[in-house]
Amino acid sequence: DSGVTQTPKHLITATGQRVTLRCSPRSGDLSVYWYQQSLDQGLQFLIQYYNGEERAKGNILERFSAQQFPDLHSELNLSSLELGDSALYFCASSGRDTQYFGPGTRLTVL
Amino acid sequence: AQKITQTQPGMFVQEKEAVTLDCTYDTSDPSYGLFWYKQPSSGEMIFLIYQGSYDQQNATEGRYSLNFQKARKSANLVISASQLGDSAMYFCAMREGWNAGNMLTFGGGTRLMVKP
Repeated sequence: DSGVTQTPKHLITATGQRVTLRCSPRSGDLSVYWYQQSLDQGLQFLIQYYNGEERAKGNILERFSAQQFPDLHSELNLSSLELGDSALYFCASSGRDTQYFGPGTRLTVL
Repeated sequence: AQKITQTQPGMFVQEKEAVTLDCTYDTSDPSYGLFWYKQPSSGEMIFLIYQGSYDQQNATEGRYSLNFQKARKSANLVISASQLGDSAMYFCAMREGWNAGNMLTFGGGTRLMVKP
């Protein structure tokens, strides 16, 4: 158990819909990262927050947004969903040198 | 150019034998970190081992060791005494720059299958 929690574990929805994925980092970690793992793109960095502020942005679509709240949990919002958004979405939080990953949310868009 | 390359899409190893998973990287930054993660069929990403670019010695964690060859830009993972539970996808990743909070870039992964 990495100490990073993610909910829900599975999510099935339809094209055009909006979903919210939730992540709680390990106790004491201020940074939260979101990654997407898909069959065609592999593991890709989406966005990072540090203590409530956006720190870095990767290959995140404009339809996607994220935020980190004062209690340090983070949410990733995915809107106008397309079939190609089906993927495993990971949240990670970082300790001194290492990023620890949550169990992931598997999103299926039908 | 690919920043992290894992050239072995799949590998077999006999139980109790050692296996080496290859990883080469590309960066011009003198400060970086290299990581290996394990992803079993259940899907979670499990941190295995870390090597900093300035570390003088190769990292070891139990049955895992990282064969770090800086001049060749390689960071191969060695698993000793393979177990059936080692069957999984293995990902090599790199963090560039001095900031420990920077993002990770991942390779395409190697699927390891341990034969009984």
